[in-house]
Amino acid sequence: QVQLQESGPGLVKPSETLSLICTVSGYSISSGYYWGWVRQPPGEGLDWIATIYHSGSTYYNPSLKTRVTISVDTSNNQFSLKLSSVTVADTAVYYCARSYGSIHPFDIWGQGTLVTVSS
Amino acid sequence: QSALTQPASVSGSPGQSITISCTGTSSDVGSYNLVSWYRQHPGKAPKLMVYEGSKRPSGVSNRFSGSKSGNTASLTISGLQAEDEADYYCCSYGGSSAPYVFGTGTKVTVL
Repeated sequence: QVQLQESGPGLVKPSETLSLICTVSGYSISSGYYWGWVRQPPGEGLDWIATIYHSGSTYYNPSLKTRVTISVDTSNNQFSLKLSSVTVADTAVYYCARSYGSIHPFDIWGQGTLVTVSS
Repeated sequence: QSALTQPASVSGSPGQSITISCTGTSSDVGSYNLVSWYRQHPGKAPKLMVYEGSKRPSGVSNRFSGSKSGNTASLTISGLQAEDEADYYCCSYGGSSAPYVFGTGTKVTVL
C-alpha cells in the first residue's frame, strides 16, 4: 500500500531554513496525484502549507508563500519542503500527505515529524 | 482566511449519537460542497473520515455521516464507540487562494 515518511532535522535555529523530505513508497509520484505538507503546532490545529503536482505545478498558503518552497524529485520518489527564516512560531509537527486533486482532501498521511525551532 | 469554527469539545455515552458543527462563511463552507472531516488520535496523523460533504472513503464506518446547511457543516457519529474518542477537524475549500481552510478542532470524549 502507499506509505509516506517524513525525514529531516528535528531542531532548527531561528532565522535558518527548515528542510524536510517526504519519501513515498508503494506508488510512483510521476504517475499522478498531488502531494502536500500540513503542519500542527503543539496543542493546536492543522495548517496547510503547500501542495505540488507531479508535473511541478505548485500551490502555496498565502500566509507562508514568501518563505516556502515545495519541490518534487521523481527519480527518488520524494518531494520536499523548505521554509526559510524560521521563528519559534514555526515549531510544529510537519506532515506530508497525498491528495487526488489540488482542492481535494488528503487521503494518505505520513506519521509526522516534530521540528523544533530553538537556539 | 480565518479558521472554521468548531466547538472545543463534545461528549457522549457509548451507543449515543453526537454531532460536531463546523461554521464558516459564504466564501468557503457556504459556497462549495468540499467539506472534509478528519479524525486524529493523540500522537497520530489525521485520518480522512468524510469528504465532499457526505462521502466516506473506503473502509470508513457508515456510523460517520456528513451534512451541510448554509455556512455550517456537520459531522454526526452514531453508535458512539470508545475508539471514536479523538480530535476531529473539518476542512473546507475556500477558493483558489485558500484551498484548505481547517477548523479549530473538536475534542470528542466518550463518557
